[in-house]
Amino acid sequence: QSALTQPASVSGSPGQSITISCTGSSSDVGGYNYVSWYQQHPGKAPQLIISEVSNRPSGVSDRFSGSKSGNTASLTISGLQADDEADYYCSSYADSTTPYVFGAGTQVTVL
Amino acid sequence: EVQLVESGGGLVQPGGSLRLSCAASGFTFSTYWMHWVRQAPGKGLVWVSRISGDGSNIAYVDSVKGRFTISRDSAKNTLFLQMNSLRVDDTAVYYCARIKEGGSRAWDVWGQGTTVTVSS
Repeated sequence: QSALTQPASVSGSPGQSITISCTGSSSDVGGYNYVSWYQQHPGKAPQLIISEVSNRPSGVSDRFSGSKSGNTASLTISGLQADDEADYYCSSYADSTTPYVFGAGTQVTVL
Repeated sequence: EVQLVESGGGLVQPGGSLRLSCAASGFTFSTYWMHWVRQAPGKGLVWVSRISGDGSNIAYVDSVKGRFTISRDSAKNTLFLQMNSLRVDDTAVYYCARIKEGGSRAWDVWGQGTTVTVSS
C-alpha cells in the first residue's frame, strides 16, 4: 500500500485538460513543499516533470503544472497530446524513517 | 552529458546476493545525494535507499534494512547497492537517481535501470 493516494487512471481527449490528485498527510505532502511529479512511458525510466510542488525543470513543456492545497497535491496537463499517454507518479519528502514516499501511479489515457 | 548507467542485475536464487553499480558521468558526483528506487513488474515506484555526497548519511526503506548496503566510490564516481538475503519480492527494475545537495528533493536524472530477478 503506497503512502500517497493517486487515482488509478485518468483519461481525456486531445486538447483537453486533466488533473491528477496526490493525497498524503501532514507528515509528507502537507508538511513540506517537496512534492515532485514523474512521467514514465512503458519500458522507460521515470522523468522529472515537476519539482517543489510547482517548478518545471528546463525543457519540460509548460502544459504541465503543479499545485498543492493542504495534504493534496495536483498535476494538471493542459492541451492533452498523444505523447502524454504514460504513467504519472507523485512523490514527497517525508518526516519519517522512510524519507521519500511515492503514490501508486496514475495511468493517463488519451482518447 | 549527464548520465547514470546501472549494471549488475541478473537472475539469482532466493537467499542469494547481487551487487548493483551505477556509473555517474558529466557532473560533480560528490555534490549529489544518490538514491536507489525500484519498480516491481507491473507495479509502482518504491524508494529503496539513499547516501549523502560524503557517504556519511545513509537511509533505507524498512523492507531492506539489514539486507541491503548502499555505498559510493567518489574516486570512481560510482554508486553501489550490495543486496544480500534476496527474496522473491525483491524482484524489480532498480534505478539509480540523483538529488542535488541542498536542492529540491527531486530526482532530476535517472539511469536506465537494471533488472533483478529472484527466483528458484
